[in-house]
Amino acid sequence: QSALTQPPSASGSPGQSVTISCTGTSSDVGFYNYVSWYQHYPGKAPKLMISEVSNRPPGVPDRFSGSKSGNTASLTVSGLQAEDEADYYCTSYGGTNRLLFGGGTKLTVL
Amino acid sequence: QVQLVQSGSEWKKPGASVRVSCKASGYIFTSNNINWVRQAPGQGPEWMGWIHTNTGNPTYAQGFTGRFVFSFDTSVSTAYLQISSLEAEDTAVYYCARYAGNHRFDYWGQGTLVTVSS
Repeated sequence: QSALTQPPSASGSPGQSVTISCTGTSSDVGFYNYVSWYQHYPGKAPKLMISEVSNRPPGVPDRFSGSKSGNTASLTVSGLQAEDEADYYCTSYGGTNRLLFGGGTKLTVL
Repeated sequence: QVQLVQSGSEWKKPGASVRVSCKASGYIFTSNNINWVRQAPGQGPEWMGWIHTNTGNPTYAQGFTGRFVFSFDTSVSTAYLQISSLEAEDTAVYYCARYAGNHRFDYWGQGTLVTVSS
């Protein structure tokens, strides 16, 4: 069982918005602003999409956004496109020598 | 462009050892530390720890001490993960990832599947 809780699946139609949650505790997600989100196509290298809760690295479409409220971080994908269909993982720093992962969410574009 | 290219799939018997390599290119190897992540079948990823690519000092996450060893060879810009006394529970995809500060990884390898089975 992963330290951070994500819904196993999420879906939306092209053009819609989808939000994926990542729930931790007051010792990790709720305490540190070091939440990252990764996009992963099976068999490929994961890709950093969001860091430090809401920062988008260069080259990541602005359709991807991140936020946090309390112990739950969220990744929102707006204007869904077919190529957004992938697995998404959140991570959070949890203190010295602790980097926590979520179990992953499979995003399906209907 | 920055790339991390990992070695191919391995199939090992219980009790054997395996070494996974992660060859970096497109940047100065010693500029970024390397982290390792394990993802067992059907499970979420787990952070295994990291190695300081200047000092060579490794840090292992809880649950990854003893049988797991991080190392590197700067002459070939390659990081290594060695696992000894393999168990069936070690069956997983292992990823290397480049640390970019602030607890984020900006580049990952493609993963190496290690299967442990008799």
